[in-house]
Amino acid sequence: QKEVEQDPGPLSVPEGAIVSLNCTYSNSAFQYFMWYRQYSRKGPELLMYTYSSGNKEDGRFTAQVDKSSKYISLFIRDSQPSDSATYLCAMSGGSNDYKLSFGAGTTVTVRA
Amino acid sequence: DVKVTQSSRYLVKRTGEKVFLECVQDMDHENMFWYRQDPGLGLRLIYFSYDVKMKEKGDIPEGYSVSREKKERFSLILESASTNQTSMYLCASRPGDTITGELFFGEGSRLTVL
Repeated sequence: QKEVEQDPGPLSVPEGAIVSLNCTYSNSAFQYFMWYRQYSRKGPELLMYTYSSGNKEDGRFTAQVDKSSKYISLFIRDSQPSDSATYLCAMSGGSNDYKLSFGAGTTVTVRA
Repeated sequence: DVKVTQSSRYLVKRTGEKVFLECVQDMDHENMFWYRQDPGLGLRLIYFSYDVKMKEKGDIPEGYSVSREKKERFSLILESASTNQTSMYLCASRPGDTITGELFFGEGSRLTVL
């Protein structure tokens, strides 16, 4: 079993729809949870990060962490064609953890 | 802004060739990483370096080696390329005192081995 599981999709939605992405994980030591966005033929860039459980909102993006269920989510409201990308979840145990553990990535296409 | 530059965006090599992938970062970061990215498998860590001349194996180091002679530069070496090393290679860096573990990535080097 992988340490981080993420449905690879692909996911295709009409413009304006809500996009819901999620990951599950098995390592209870994870404390920092990140979402990276990767456009085609580019490297990943950090979109949002959350510490421990709870919600974090940034414009049209909301990240949720439920540590009791070992489940994290990313919601994109009012999706735009420019949101078309691959979204990768990543997590770490914090400063003593030398590496991030990544999900496989979900490819999202927002249709105009 | 942090800039991580991978010198070769696209490479085509033949089986058995030696391949060098170069990565340079301009933010004085202590830690540098090499990942490969394959469909359905996500990012897998090959090697990382927490300081100059220091290196640690990641999850899939077989068939690869690395070199870090200067703080800003981290090289990935394929001694004898094989077709199963066809992949996207991503270099990343971060400060040594990071709290979150966030990585800053380059744009990737797509390697095809024929």
